[in-house]
Amino acid sequence: DAGVIQSPRHEVTEMGQEVTLRCKPISGHDYLFWYRQTMMRGLELLIYFNNNVPIDDSGMPEDRFSAKMPNASFSTLKIQPSEPRDSAVYFCASSLYGDRGSGANVLTFGAGSRLTVL
Amino acid sequence: AQSVTQLDSHVSVSEGTPVLLRCNYSSSYSPSLFWYVQHPNKGLQLLLKYTSAATLVKGINGFEAEFKKSETSFHLTKPSAHMSDAAEYFCVVSEYSSASKIIFGSGTRLSIRP
Repeated sequence: DAGVIQSPRHEVTEMGQEVTLRCKPISGHDYLFWYRQTMMRGLELLIYFNNNVPIDDSGMPEDRFSAKMPNASFSTLKIQPSEPRDSAVYFCASSLYGDRGSGANVLTFGAGSRLTVL
Repeated sequence: AQSVTQLDSHVSVSEGTPVLLRCNYSSSYSPSLFWYVQHPNKGLQLLLKYTSAATLVKGINGFEAEFKKSETSFHLTKPSAHMSDAAEYFCVVSEYSSASKIIFGSGTRLSIRP
């Protein structure tokens, strides 16, 4: 498996523009997580899905952020409109519940999408 | 409630000397504990995990960690540091096989001096 695939790897945009980050989880994994990493706040869980259904979005900072998972192999995180304080590295991770010796809490991370909002 | 504390934000050691990264946790349930490593401009990679089996856990690249319930600790060690070990290390606690309560520590940056 190619692992968790995120795109784009780098995005530079201007304040007010819409940003869409994409994630392809590992095939067969039933959990998908979106995290944000900044120097000031560290790693923050934004939202996670189970079987394509959003389970907990309490970490989504505000209504400008939205996430979808239309099928088991694709998820998006959208920011509209973007602001400079959204600049961060956004990570997608996936896991499989019940995987022998692993469990739903063993995460495989993508390489991240570095977002810069000017 | 669960929590995890990484006691050092930055650790610097000389190449070839032992590494110790400290982690304390709090959990109401029998926890699962993990260490992840993040190299610069990379995603996080699982280093090792404890899930209620052997208390001494061996991971990749010569790292190991010992679960000590009495001390609520899960410190990460390596006998001899290598330059390639320079990275950020995260201690993680969660309920066993639960996706809903995965708590990351604030991270420890490990620097290796030549």
